Amino acid sequence: EAGVTQFPSHSVIEKGQTVTLRCDPISGHDNLYWYRRVMGKEIKFLLHFVKESKQDESGMPNNRFLAERTGGTYSTLKVQPAELEDSGVYFCASSQDRDGVWVGGELFFGEGSRLTVL
Amino acid sequence: AQRVTQPEKLLSVFKGAPVELKCNYSYSGSPELFWYVQYSRQRLQLLLRHISRESIKGFTADLNKGETSFHLKKPFAQEEDSAMYYCAPPVADDYKLSFGAGTTVTVRA
Repeated sequence: EAGVTQFPSHSVIEKGQTVTLRCDPISGHDNLYWYRRVMGKEIKFLLHFVKESKQDESGMPNNRFLAERTGGTYSTLKVQPAELEDSGVYFCASSQDRDGVWVGGELFFGEGSRLTVL
Repeated sequence: AQRVTQPEKLLSVFKGAPVELKCNYSYSGSPELFWYVQYSRQRLQLLLRHISRESIKGFTADLNKGETSFHLKKPFAQEEDSAMYYCAPPVADDYKLSFGAGTTVTVRA
């Protein structure tokens, strides 16, 4: 079974440009999460989809970030315009347990998309 | 809000020595905690969960509610244990995890 896949694996862009990251979750997983790790810092939650609906987007840093999940399948995360501080590794994860992670749900992570803003 | 603290950024031990990674949390309810691990060139993956009370790859983690800790331990470290480890408690009533800053473990021969 294919795991969570993310594209691109690495993107280098100039400040002010736009980048779109894509995540394909494991088939059948309703929950999709975006996380970000900035160099030397913790992995921070960005947002959570349940199917096509945004369940929680409290971690999105500002309105330059836009996440979508059309049809409840793959998701995209667009950064427009990109700033230097947006550099980091963006992780996508999916899970199947709808009852909440604390009853044994497990997040399956992609390999991450490394974003470098120059 | 849920908080998790991993006080050690780097931990270096010799092969065969015990290793303990500290994790402290703040949580008002009954906590469910996880340890995730990322080996070199691999994905972040679940190592073990508190509710299972299991030992994975020789690692165990004991929840101490009095000290609000969930330290990860292994009595005899192996070179293949070198990785980045993240403690992860769930965030209140939401279906998501928050992660600590992580501890990089290096096991030397």
